[in-house]
Amino acid sequence: KAGVTQTPRYLIKTRGQQVTLSCSPISGHRSVSWYQQTPGQGLQFLFEYFSETQRNKGNFPGRFSGRQFSNSRSEMNVSTLELGDSALYLCASSFDNTEAFFGQGTRLTVV
Amino acid sequence: QKEVEQNSGPLSVPEGAIASLNCTYSDRGSQSFFWYRQYSGKSPELIMFIYSNGDKEDGRFTAQLNKASQYVSLLIRDSQPSDSATYLCAVNIQGAQKLVFGQGTRLTINP
Repeated sequence: KAGVTQTPRYLIKTRGQQVTLSCSPISGHRSVSWYQQTPGQGLQFLFEYFSETQRNKGNFPGRFSGRQFSNSRSEMNVSTLELGDSALYLCASSFDNTEAFFGQGTRLTVV
Repeated sequence: QKEVEQNSGPLSVPEGAIASLNCTYSDRGSQSFFWYRQYSGKSPELIMFIYSNGDKEDGRFTAQLNKASQYVSLLIRDSQPSDSATYLCAVNIQGAQKLVFGQGTRLTINP
């Protein structure tokens, strides 16, 4: 079956702009989590959605937000981009708090 | 103290030998433990998960969990050059529906 699909794969944005990333989970999975990966900080949890509800949020500023739709697809939004937001953004899906499978990620570069 | 700790490496192992990767965690209530493999420029790939104390084997991989010592390890038998990657230990924090990752151990298998 199809894996986790993230779009776009690569993005270049300018400071101050906003960006929206998309994630389609594995069919049947209702939990979607988002992570930021940087060389310095490693993989850090952003937030997790289950059945359109945010169940948990990491320690990121309010510029980072997300949502989940009724078909379990999820989006995350980053407003007022900063240079430090340059990272690989990863989406992971799971059935419900079980094994999580990652998408290929979106590489965001802020210039 | 970090929630999940791994030796960053690099760990160098000759081809055909056993590679041993270790991870400790701080939350005694953690229930689920995962090992991901990440090749350079790629997203993390789930290779093992373990929920109960003891050993779990899957092909050349064995995960070991000791909740009393708050320790989880991954053994790779008959190491191959294709096993060269960064290995990430992840712990599902109790009640939080989120994975906390270690910084990863970079493993190199030398032919």
